[in-house]
Amino acid sequence: DAGITQSPRYKITETGRQVTLMCHQTWSHSYMFWYRQDLGHGLRLIYYSAAADITDKGEVPDGYVVSRSKTENFPLTLESATRSQTSVYFCASSESASGGGTQFFGPGTRLTVL
Amino acid sequence: GENVEQHPSTLSVQEGDSAVIKCTYSDSASNYFPWYKQELGKGPQLIIDIRSNVGEKKDQRIAVTLNKTAKHFSLHITETQPEDSAVYFCAASWEGNTGFQKLVFGTGTRLLVSP
Repeated sequence: DAGITQSPRYKITETGRQVTLMCHQTWSHSYMFWYRQDLGHGLRLIYYSAAADITDKGEVPDGYVVSRSKTENFPLTLESATRSQTSVYFCASSESASGGGTQFFGPGTRLTVL
Repeated sequence: GENVEQHPSTLSVQEGDSAVIKCTYSDSASNYFPWYKQELGKGPQLIIDIRSNVGEKKDQRIAVTLNKTAKHFSLHITETQPEDSAVYFCAASWEGNTGFQKLVFGTGTRLLVSP
């Protein structure tokens, strides 16, 4: 039972480069989420998706792009990385968002932008 | 929007003692309050949750209480063990004007249980 996986686990990139973080879940959950975790801020929602081809902005979407062509995948792209995007990124999935469905988190990707 | 405040930011206890972490939320329409435990190098994992129609919920050594009037909820861990050491996050669901309930997280509490 793989659950939810993220790749890469660690990434170092340079300012201005494009980088894509991958997220894959095996539960066929409808909802998927991307969060970033920074000291003093907890987890902040970047983007979420209610189903394939349906995505919407969260609290901190600027500088990020998402797509969801397949239910099981939800990649997050930083089109032109900035140092302020250095963070730990978590993907999550949920079967339902009604009443706040339980979200299951991946192991995270630690991204460093030099 | 919803705002969740969490205290304390760090908590040190001796093994066997109890630990209490408190959170407050701002939107009275929030109706789902999960607690997550995050161990070093791992993603957050749900440990217990409570919905607004319930005042208290227990699961072995862990309990959560909810006071809707005061808009605060708390995590109680009894008989703490070293393996309870982790960062704990509270969250509250928030619908806003999108009709989609998102989770808003607190800033986390680092719990250290000393043997």
